[in-house]
Amino acid sequence: DAKTTQPPSMDCAEGRAANLPCNHSTISGNEYVYWYRQIHSQGPQYIIHGLKNNETNEMASLIITEDRKSSTLILPHATLRDTAVYYCIVRVANRDDKIIFGKGTRLHILP
Amino acid sequence: KAGVTQTPRYLIKTRGQQVTLSCSPISGHRSVSWYQQTPGQGLQFLFEYFSETQRNKGNFPGRFSGRQFSNSRSEMNVSTLELGDSALYLCASSATSGSPDTQYFGPGTRLTVL
Repeated sequence: DAKTTQPPSMDCAEGRAANLPCNHSTISGNEYVYWYRQIHSQGPQYIIHGLKNNETNEMASLIITEDRKSSTLILPHATLRDTAVYYCIVRVANRDDKIIFGKGTRLHILP
Repeated sequence: KAGVTQTPRYLIKTRGQQVTLSCSPISGHRSVSWYQQTPGQGLQFLFEYFSETQRNKGNFPGRFSGRQFSNSRSEMNVSTLELGDSALYLCASSATSGSPDTQYFGPGTRLTVL
């Protein structure tokens, strides 16, 4: 079973920041938080990952709470092309493991 | 660098047949993982290969198998196809095996079983 919980869907107005929450209350100290997104009928696209510090790249920012039990993916200026299913995943570091995808959050960007 | 490529992109088969799907990882990547995606079950892990060895396996029947070649290219095979095998099959590559190495996905092969 997936170790993360995400809302099934969210709406966001174009040009606004999209904040996608993820709950991972059973996360272990050596587990990373990863975010992927999947645009309709394409392969999942890597967005960002982090361990405990907040991370930012050209696509998004990842905010991880101090207790690491939840995180938020922020798309700073959402566009229609950001409409996709967003998956939050936890993975153990330095061990052979399989990625377990949950149902993800279907993000609708509204014009 | 070229991304992960999968061939063919679309495939139609009938029940009882077998199928082989191919995945070419990003140059330099040695790990290849396979996933099945269906509307009902979502994205499910099939198996992972690293340096020609299967490192991890999901909960799929033995009809699903795979292999990896010395150039890191991978194939997966499904024998005795069933209607429920209709799905998008995704391949992902990473430089090494295990987290936190990032996996990069290909566009997928859409298999339809009639």
